Amino acid sequence: GAGVSQSPRYKVAKRGQDVALRCDPISGHVSLFWYQQALGQGPEFLTYFQNEAQLDKSGLPSDRFFAERPEGSVSTLKIQRTQQEDSAVYLCASSLLWRGLAGPTDTQYFGPGTRLTVL
Amino acid sequence: AQKITQTQPGMFVQEKEAVTLDCTYDTSDQSYGLFWYKQPSSGEMIFLIYQGSYDEQNATEGRYSLNFQKARKSANLVISASQLGDSAMYFCSTSRAGGTSYGKLTFGQGTILTVHP
Repeated sequence: GAGVSQSPRYKVAKRGQDVALRCDPISGHVSLFWYQQALGQGPEFLTYFQNEAQLDKSGLPSDRFFAERPEGSVSTLKIQRTQQEDSAVYLCASSLLWRGLAGPTDTQYFGPGTRLTVL
Repeated sequence: AQKITQTQPGMFVQEKEAVTLDCTYDTSDQSYGLFWYKQPSSGEMIFLIYQGSYDEQNATEGRYSLNFQKARKSANLVISASQLGDSAMYFCSTSRAGGTSYGKLTFGQGTILTVHP
């Protein structure tokens, strides 16, 4: 498919477990974003990659959250020692390339998300 | 910091009628982008329409149009000829220009639209 894909779609974890969420961006998209969406809320920014470089991680809520994109394509968001407050939908989005203009080419295309439930 | 306000938690519309979803934004930036997304119950965020802060004409994409009033800082989404498949959550969002913002989006709380047959 040509869109952004994410796996797994659903993840149930016991409190204290580590989880890894995967994102496959649109081929050729340089920019990749992770967002967290709590139930009934709008998504909130977590982190941003340009190719393999993580240029902004200001939205990561704690040092238990870690993201990587080692080859500039697939990205993984890892959450260590999960807590109940981590329960949310984690959305991945990609766009062509950030040129600093806030223009139409910066449109982000989202994947279906991973719904994480921490018991 | 940017802020998006969507004051309508829920909206109802009759099939084939037009509906307007409100969005106001708060930013001190001169250059920014405004994006509307649709999120059906399946969860995926679907891009609908984009408006640039320097665009003088309102954006249109098929049945979607954006009523952009820069002085009032509003960017309302108009959906014409509503269809049952339009029932979903709708999010208004904004990004800012400038190298260190990287295009990250700030979202509103969303509006749930229900289309009645």
